[in-house]
Amino acid sequence: NAGVTQTPKFQVLKTGQSMTLQCAQDMNHEYMSWYRQDPGMGLRLIHYSVGAGITDQGEVPNGYNVSRSTTEDFPLRLLSAAPSQTSVYFCASSFDRYTEAFFGQGTRLTVV
Amino acid sequence: AQTVTQSQPEMSVQEAETVTLSCTYDTSESDYYLFWYKQPPSRQMILVIRQEAYKQQNATENRFSVNFQKAAKSFSLKISDSQLGDAAMYFCAYRNANTGNQFYFGTGTSLTVIP
Repeated sequence: NAGVTQTPKFQVLKTGQSMTLQCAQDMNHEYMSWYRQDPGMGLRLIHYSVGAGITDQGEVPNGYNVSRSTTEDFPLRLLSAAPSQTSVYFCASSFDRYTEAFFGQGTRLTVV
Repeated sequence: AQTVTQSQPEMSVQEAETVTLSCTYDTSESDYYLFWYKQPPSRQMILVIRQEAYKQQNATENRFSVNFQKAAKSFSLKISDSQLGDAAMYFCAYRNANTGNQFYFGTGTSLTVIP
């Protein structure tokens, strides 16, 4: 029972590099989202999806891109990494808009 | 806009004692859901308890219970018989039942359990 699988757990990038954070869930959840967690700020929504082929921006979308080609996968792309993107990133999924979210184990990203 | 406020950045409790973590929220909606998540040092976000706004009865899960005051927009978490494993960051979260596109999180309360 894998739940939400998020990779990698740790990553160091140089400014200007690009990368993709992977997220997969095996619970047939329609709702998936990406959050970033910064000290003293809780979790903030980057992008979300309510089903395959449907994505939308959250509170802090700049510098990030997403796609949802399948129900299971929801990758997050950093287009050109900046030090301000140093954070812990969480992928989350939920069955519908009435239920709790299940989270991946998080990715600690450092941009130098 | 929905906001969630946790006014206690840090709390401590003696092992076996009871502690209450505070959370308030701001919304004009009548149908929503409230959650408490626990984040131990492992970083994993773990659901502690869930409350539906339409239910007057407070949710309970073993040693965890909430005091949900809808009119006051207050949603506090009570941990009874605190254990060392309860030490973690606790986040209060809100979800609008009508749109439900995102969770709104508070800034968290760091709970220390003193042996």
